[in-house]
Amino acid sequence: QLQLQESGPGLVKPSETLSLTCNVSGGSIDRTTYYWGWIRQTPGKGLEWIGSIYYSGRAYYGPSLAGRSALFVDKSKNQFTLKVTSVTAADTAMYFCARSLFYAPFDSWGQGILVTVSS
Amino acid sequence: QAILTQSSSASASLGSSVKLTCTLSNDYRNHIIAWHQQQTGKAPRFLMKVENNGRYTKGSGAPARFSGSSSGADRYLTISNLQPEDEADYFCETWDSDSRIFGGGTKLTVL
Repeated sequence: QLQLQESGPGLVKPSETLSLTCNVSGGSIDRTTYYWGWIRQTPGKGLEWIGSIYYSGRAYYGPSLAGRSALFVDKSKNQFTLKVTSVTAADTAMYFCARSLFYAPFDSWGQGILVTVSS
Repeated sequence: QAILTQSSSASASLGSSVKLTCTLSNDYRNHIIAWHQQQTGKAPRFLMKVENNGRYTKGSGAPARFSGSSSGADRYLTISNLQPEDEADYFCETWDSDSRIFGGGTKLTVL
C-alpha cells in the first residue's frame, strides 16, 4: 500500500528557505503514470495547490507562491522535495504531499507537517 | 481559473442522510471534481470523483454509504445512515492540465 510521509523543519525563520521532503514507500516514484504534488492548508485560505512534479522532473506550479517555490524529484531515494524561498509568516501552514494521475484527483495523501515561520 | 463554492457548514442527525454541494464556476461547469474527507487532525482522504453526467467512481477507502451525483454545475456528495465518524470537513477539488483548485470545504456535524 502506498504511503507518503513528509519531513522537514517545523520552524523556519523569516526570509529563510523552507525545504520539505516527501518519502514515498509501497510504490515507485518513477512509475510513468503518476504525478507528485504539494498542497498547503491554512485556516484562512483553506487548501492551496503549490505544485506537482513528474518523475522526469517536469513540474507545474500554482499561483499561490508566486515563483518562490521549486520542486525536485530524487528517484534514487524515492522521494520528492519542495523548496520555498524568502518565507514569511504567511507561509505558516500544514503542508501535505500527495499523488495523482495526470488529469485526475489526488488519490493518496501524506499525514502532513506543520511548518511555522517565526523568528 | 475555476472556482469551487461550498457551504461552510452542514449538520444532520445520526442515522439520517445529508447531501453536500460543490458548485463549479460557469466556465468549468462540465468539469470532473473529486470529494475528499478530512477528519480532525488527520490527512485528507480521497473519497470519489464525480463527472458532469452524474457518474461517480469511488476510491478504495470510501464507505458504501457514500455516493455522488451531479446537476448542471453542481456536484454532490450524499452520505446515508450518518455515523459519528462521518463528522469531518469535506472539500472538493478540480483540475486542468496544469492547475488544481480546491473548494473552501464544508464542515459536517453529526448531531
